[in-house]
Amino acid sequence: DAGITQSPRHKVTETGTPVTLRCHQTENHRYMYWYRQDPGHGLRLIHYSYGVKDTDKGEVSDGYSVSRSKTEDFLLTLESATSSQTSVYFCAISETTGEATGQFFGPGTRLTVL
Amino acid sequence: GNSVTQMEGPVTLSEEAFLTINCTYTATGYPSLFWYVQYPGEGLQLLLKATKADDKGSNKGFEATYRKETTSFHLEKGSVQVSDSAVYFCALSDLDSSYKLIFGSGTRLLVRP
Repeated sequence: DAGITQSPRHKVTETGTPVTLRCHQTENHRYMYWYRQDPGHGLRLIHYSYGVKDTDKGEVSDGYSVSRSKTEDFLLTLESATSSQTSVYFCAISETTGEATGQFFGPGTRLTVL
Repeated sequence: GNSVTQMEGPVTLSEEAFLTINCTYTATGYPSLFWYVQYPGEGLQLLLKATKADDKGSNKGFEATYRKETTSFHLEKGSVQVSDSAVYFCALSDLDSSYKLIFGSGTRLLVRP
């Protein structure tokens, strides 16, 4: 299994509070991704990174920001959490752009915004 | 734009039954295609993949063939087990954005003893 950990694994917070989720990898892969999983939508890409300090938006990036200061860590921040951001968040990594190898996923973080 | 459509679940089967989960896609060019499996409370695991037309991906008794003429990548297994109960996701690599995977909405499989 790819060495990917996410923290925290569960979090309950209140509307309007800031939240930061962490993804840590031990594979030294260049590419990292944040997805959210919601019933009926599969997984949707929030942001991705193609190197240290190199990030870009995915399809559902509004309300989220990311940072990558080291190869192994990719942080997802909700500046002011809203109830619509209640979801399960998955981090993924890939060594290349992934079209040949696919992406490898962490265990997920379940976030509840009250 | 590119998209993936999966059959709606849940799919309920008896142990040792034959499984088919349909997946069709819309894409320009020749994307790679993937099946992922998600067991309860876990992340997604790559089950199999195919990178070009007529390729057959296989793993753990599961198979899927990349059919460009029908834009399909149906997942099959000859004899399912209770331990195969999970949610299965079909996905494609988005050639318009080479970093991106596009997922179907998932199909839940329940296998009864």
